Amino acid sequence: EVQLVQSGAEVKKPGESLKISCEGSGFTFSNFWIGWVRQMPGKGLEWMGIIYPGDSDTRYSPSFQGQVTISVDKSINTAYLQWSSLKASDTAIYYCARHGVLGEYNWFDPWGQGTQVTVSS
Amino acid sequence: EIVLTQSPGTLSLSPGERATLSCRASQGVISTDLAWYQQRPGQSPRLLIYHASRRASGIPDRFSGSGSGTDFTLTISRLEPEDFAVYYCQHYSNSPRTFGQGTKVEIK
Repeated sequence: EVQLVQSGAEVKKPGESLKISCEGSGFTFSNFWIGWVRQMPGKGLEWMGIIYPGDSDTRYSPSFQGQVTISVDKSINTAYLQWSSLKASDTAIYYCARHGVLGEYNWFDPWGQGTQVTVSS
Repeated sequence: EIVLTQSPGTLSLSPGERATLSCRASQGVISTDLAWYQQRPGQSPRLLIYHASRRASGIPDRFSGSGSGTDFTLTISRLEPEDFAVYYCQHYSNSPRTFGQGTKVEIK
């Protein structure tokens, strides 16, 4: 079974750093782009960016470029999303998702269970 | 950046009725590079449709997608209780990929 399992909920203070993870199983991790999607409280889905584990090639949405870093460790089938200095406005659920088929331009399937990030003083 | 506009924002229907959801792209370059997702409360999104009209694995045939270019439609032929949820379209034609703002299908 193709599966993405994300790390658990986090509560952080403004200015702190954070790295959340997404571990893939049931498929050849290096071959599929992995993406991150933000969902702020009560809001819709926002495409943040994607990474190709095979060579760490990364694409960011302009809205998130410079705000977060997407990385990967293909030796342990895990993708990461990290912040160097969190803001209250980073409070959201963050989903990872795999591309449905090989290739850079396609849909997300499946999705991880989501990681709740809460930033509050 | 391609903006996807979904309408209506909320659709109030009864079980058994037909639901028609719209997704319009600001530019016509996406061809059929469009997906639809369902998100039930408290759950992760789930892929329903890709390439505008192809049903994902395990998706019931009451869900269908159509359209190309700028105008796309998701149709649910007969609403089941589990179909009341929020639906999002997403293009994957170029960067950045974007999502529509969502259509909530609620019980009337």
